[in-house]
Amino acid sequence: SQTIHQWPATLVQPVGSPLSLECTVEGTSNPNLYWYRQAAGRGLQLLFYSVGIGQISSEVPQNLSASRPQDRQFILSSKKLLLSDSGFYLCAWTVSSTDTQYFGPGTRLTVL
Amino acid sequence: GNSVTQMEGPVTLSEEAFLTINCTYTATGYPSLFWYVQYPGEGLQLLLKATKADDKGSNKGFEATYRKETTSFHLEKGSVQVSDSAVYFCALTPTGTASKLTFGTGTRLQVTL
Repeated sequence: SQTIHQWPATLVQPVGSPLSLECTVEGTSNPNLYWYRQAAGRGLQLLFYSVGIGQISSEVPQNLSASRPQDRQFILSSKKLLLSDSGFYLCAWTVSSTDTQYFGPGTRLTVL
Repeated sequence: GNSVTQMEGPVTLSEEAFLTINCTYTATGYPSLFWYVQYPGEGLQLLLKATKADDKGSNKGFEATYRKETTSFHLEKGSVQVSDSAVYFCALTPTGTASKLTFGTGTRLQVTL
C-alpha cells in the first residue's frame, strides 16, 4: 500500500532563517505531488505542484520554493523565513490527474 | 476562478443530533467534489467524494450529493458521535488540472455528550 511521510513534524525557526521540509511517497511510481499551507484560522492554499521530476508549478508568489530531485521526493524550501510563513504545511499525492489526493501528516512551522 | 464557500463554524451539537454542513461552489465545467476531515493535530483524510452531477458520496455514515443545479455539496450525517469532532473541508478539483484542489475555509464541528 502507499504511504506518505513528512518531516519534521514540528519546527520552530527564527525570522530570516532557511527552511527545508521534506515529503516522500512510498508504494507508487510517478505520482503528482503537492504542497499546501494552512494558516491559522484559514483554509488550505495550494503552493506548488509537480507532475514529474524537475517539473514544478507555483500557484502563489512568495519567498518559498519547491524541488523534486527524485520521483517520490518533494522538498519545500526558503532562504529566509518570514513571520507570515508560519502555518501547517501539508504534502499530498495522486497517481494521475483524475485521482483523489492523499495527504501526509503535516509539518507545523512556527516562525518567531 | 474556482471557489468553495462553507458555512462558518464552529458547529456545536449534542451526540446523536443530525448534522448538516453547507457547501457551495463556483467552477467552470464539471468539477469533482470532495469532503476532507482533519482531526486535531493531524493531516487531512478523504471522507467522501463525487465526480459527477447527482452522484452521492458516502462514508462512515456521512453523505453528500453533487447538486449541479444549486452548485452545492452539503455534508450530512443522521446521528453524530463525539468522535466526529473535527474540522471538515469541502473542496473541488476541476477536470484536467492535475487535481489541484480548491478548498473551503473549513467548518469546525464539536460534538458533546
